[in-house]
Amino acid sequence: EAGVAQSPRYKIIEKRQSVAFWCNPISGHATLYWYQQILGQGPKLLIQFQNNGVVDDSQLPKDRFSAERLKGVDSTLKIQPAKLEDSAVYLCASSSSGQNTEAFFGQGTRLTVV
Amino acid sequence: AQSVTQLDSHVSVSEGTPVLLRCNYSSSYSPSLFWYVQHPNKGLQLLLKYTSAATLVKGINGFEAEFKKSETSFHLTKPSAHMSDAAEYFCVVSVWDYKLSFGAGTTVTVRA
Repeated sequence: EAGVAQSPRYKIIEKRQSVAFWCNPISGHATLYWYQQILGQGPKLLIQFQNNGVVDDSQLPKDRFSAERLKGVDSTLKIQPAKLEDSAVYLCASSSSGQNTEAFFGQGTRLTVV
Repeated sequence: AQSVTQLDSHVSVSEGTPVLLRCNYSSSYSPSLFWYVQHPNKGLQLLLKYTSAATLVKGINGFEAEFKKSETSFHLTKPSAHMSDAAEYFCVVSVWDYKLSFGAGTTVTVRA
């Protein structure tokens, strides 16, 4: 079974530039998550999709972050414009439906904003 | 809303000695609980999960955790630490909305 795919693995940009991350979840998984993990902290949920609908985006800084999940499969997370404090690892995860199912995580994208 | 508190930010053990990582949770609903491990520059890997079946859960690599509802705890243990266990460990709670809430993490260091 193929895992969650993310790209790119690493990205360095200057502040005020824009950046986009891509995620391909495990086939058939209805739930997709984007997390932000700042160095030394636990992952923080940015947005949660159920199929192509948004379940929770309460912690997504909507003035600069946006995310979409076209056709309920792949997802893209965008930051525009980036700030220094956006430097973090961005993790994508997916799970099948059901409370007791675990989430499977991708390798993450390490973003450095200079 | 649910939340998780990992009581130790850092645990240091000698190789071959037991490991104990403590986790308390708060939830208004029956929770599912998970432990994930993250090795440096690697993704998060599931160690084990509790889903309202047996309260003692066995996971991969010799880890196990016990769900104690009366204490709202889900502590992770391993009888004998190995050098390869050095990593970051996260306790995670989930309820009916499938939202995963992470603890702050515990860094495990294993001394030779």
